[in-house]
Amino acid sequence: SAVISQKPSRDICQRGTSLTIQCQVDSQVTMMFWYRQQPGQSLTLIATANQGSEATYESGFVIDKFPISRPNLTFSTLTVSNMSPEDSSIYLCSAETGRTGELFFGEGSRLTVL
Amino acid sequence: AQSVTQPDIHITVSEGASLELRCNYSYGATPYLFWYVQSPGQGLQLLLKYFSGDTLVQGIKGFEAEFKRSQSSFNLRKPSVHWSDAAEYFCAVGAGNYGQNFVFGPGTRLSVLP
Repeated sequence: SAVISQKPSRDICQRGTSLTIQCQVDSQVTMMFWYRQQPGQSLTLIATANQGSEATYESGFVIDKFPISRPNLTFSTLTVSNMSPEDSSIYLCSAETGRTGELFFGEGSRLTVL
Repeated sequence: AQSVTQPDIHITVSEGASLELRCNYSYGATPYLFWYVQSPGQGLQLLLKYFSGDTLVQGIKGFEAEFKRSQSSFNLRKPSVHWSDAAEYFCAVGAGNYGQNFVFGPGTRLSVLP
């Protein structure tokens, strides 16, 4: 299993600002994943973050809006840039540890954009 | 590409009653199947998973799920629901490759009446 810590757990932000979410895993992992969960919705994958290479973004998500860093095998950040109210969501970090096939999740970061 | 459907958006049961949440998937190979639970304001917690072997799998909190290949289903069951089971439940299918190609269903919200 893995323990994944995210911060901030929640924040209220002003339109046009940017916020960086941090994700720490208690063990080394090959890939980390960032998901968005809009109110009342399921999870949508934003991007896959590999250590030592650029993140791979899913359709509808771009690096300029959601830049990601992955400086080592236990840490990643997601920045939500130039925020608008439509960015109000829960952002979740996840990773698979070992080859179990299951994803472990952080507690999520709940962003509200005014 | 794989997909997951959960036909029931919202289910209400009385405390002590039995529960079955439906999940159907589409996947071209042998799937890795999961059920996650999300309590209000929380991240996702894995309830159980199926990779291979016995098609009836036991999970945490008294939940079980049965894999039926012929029906492409992986329904979640619990014989007696507790008030604390009220949450959002997500079925997911993965490919077992370090967390890639993980697809979540739309979720089923469970309400429990006292």
